[in-house]
Amino acid sequence: EDQVTQSPEALRLQEGESSSLNCSYTVSGLRGLFWYRQDPGKGPEFLFTLYSAGEEKEKERLKATLTKKESFLHITAPKPEDSATYLCAVRRQDSGYSTLTFGKGTMLLVSP
Amino acid sequence: ETGVTQTPRHLVMGMTNKKSLKCEQHLGHNAMYWYKQSAKKPLELMFVYSLEERVENNSVPSRFSPECPNSSHLFLHLHTLQPEDSALYLCASSQDLYSRWASGKITGELFFGEGSRLTVL
Repeated sequence: EDQVTQSPEALRLQEGESSSLNCSYTVSGLRGLFWYRQDPGKGPEFLFTLYSAGEEKEKERLKATLTKKESFLHITAPKPEDSATYLCAVRRQDSGYSTLTFGKGTMLLVSP
Repeated sequence: ETGVTQTPRHLVMGMTNKKSLKCEQHLGHNAMYWYKQSAKKPLELMFVYSLEERVENNSVPSRFSPECPNSSHLFLHLHTLQPEDSALYLCASSQDLYSRWASGKITGELFFGEGSRLTVL
């Protein structure tokens, strides 16, 4: 059974204080690890897809990395508008459609 | 309209009511999904329709009944719900990959709507 564990559950940062969110996973044949951002009362917004260990992707202050067991979402010099819940998900190997297994998320709060 | 649109955004219903949630996607995708999001829990997959055929039903109680009349529309019919069914119901879509299975890189991103917040009294 696919499993995704995110840590910490909640993280409070000061503006400009860099940090990382962790996503540990077990999946039978990884066919993609996904990061989403979710604002309160809204649907998740797609950020990144990573496919293989060693891969990295960047978007503004966010950088996602992938190893064989976990992924990190690095936040460099965060701003208050980066406050949101960040969700990690993995894709099952044997399906053509995308039944993603999600973690519980990390709630990030960035204070000015 | 662009993306994935869900209506209504908020719904309050009694346990004996019958209501429906609607989802429409404008992305040209051919797979659609219903997820349930409850506090302190991961998103739970409820149903998957691929090429308008239901391909997954993850042990969802029969009081939830999905309908996919075409590749752009998805409904979730609700009847005799329980208070523990109160949650955010999210619709998503993606491009079904079977038709391109052997053709190269797989993407598989889900694109979500804003959700329908359901409260069962």
